[in-house]
Amino acid sequence: SQTIHQWPATLVQPVGSPLSLECTVEGTSNPNLYWYRQAAGRGLQLLFYSVGIGQISSEVPQNLSASRPQDRQFILSSKKLLLSDSGFYLCAWRTEETQYFGPGTRLLVL
Amino acid sequence: SQKIEQNSEALNIQEGKTATLTCNYTNYSPAYLQWYRQDPGRGPVFLLLIRENEKEKRKERLKVTFDTTLKQSLFHITASQPADSATYLCALDNGGGFKTIFGAGTRLFVKA
Repeated sequence: SQTIHQWPATLVQPVGSPLSLECTVEGTSNPNLYWYRQAAGRGLQLLFYSVGIGQISSEVPQNLSASRPQDRQFILSSKKLLLSDSGFYLCAWRTEETQYFGPGTRLLVL
Repeated sequence: SQKIEQNSEALNIQEGKTATLTCNYTNYSPAYLQWYRQDPGRGPVFLLLIRENEKEKRKERLKVTFDTTLKQSLFHITASQPADSATYLCALDNGGGFKTIFGAGTRLFVKA
């Protein structure tokens, strides 16, 4: 069966520091992968999606970036975090009709 | 712009009753609509999918209706249990691209 891993589970970072969140998928090949951010009381905001190695589509202009160095690995990064980057970050793998989410990373920028 | 609206107020019901959650959308023609459950601090979990040509879909104690004229979906949990307490997200997909649009969710509390 398919499994999505995310780490770290929680992260507290100072403003201006770099960020790297990792997502890996098991049990499937060539998955469509997604990064979402969820703020309290708000819906899931699509940040990036990738249909293959090295292919990244950005949905929202921001100081975040994404990379897909391997088929089942998706990385979310930032060179300098802002306070507004705080939130719950979710990685997802999409099939034709649904999405499977990872456990999420809670990021607090202070 | 495309918009999905779910009741932002929490829904409180008594155990054994039927919970009904609403999802309305505008400026969108979805090929299908999905419902997810999300527990605090965890990722959403897929529950049900209903296609645009389907009026109703059932799975155990769950029932979803889809009215493309009203642009509305209703999500019912019959014989609700305290374990059903969670946030329920509605999501739309046009089936032709790579993006799914999610609502903000409705928090459900089932009291014993």
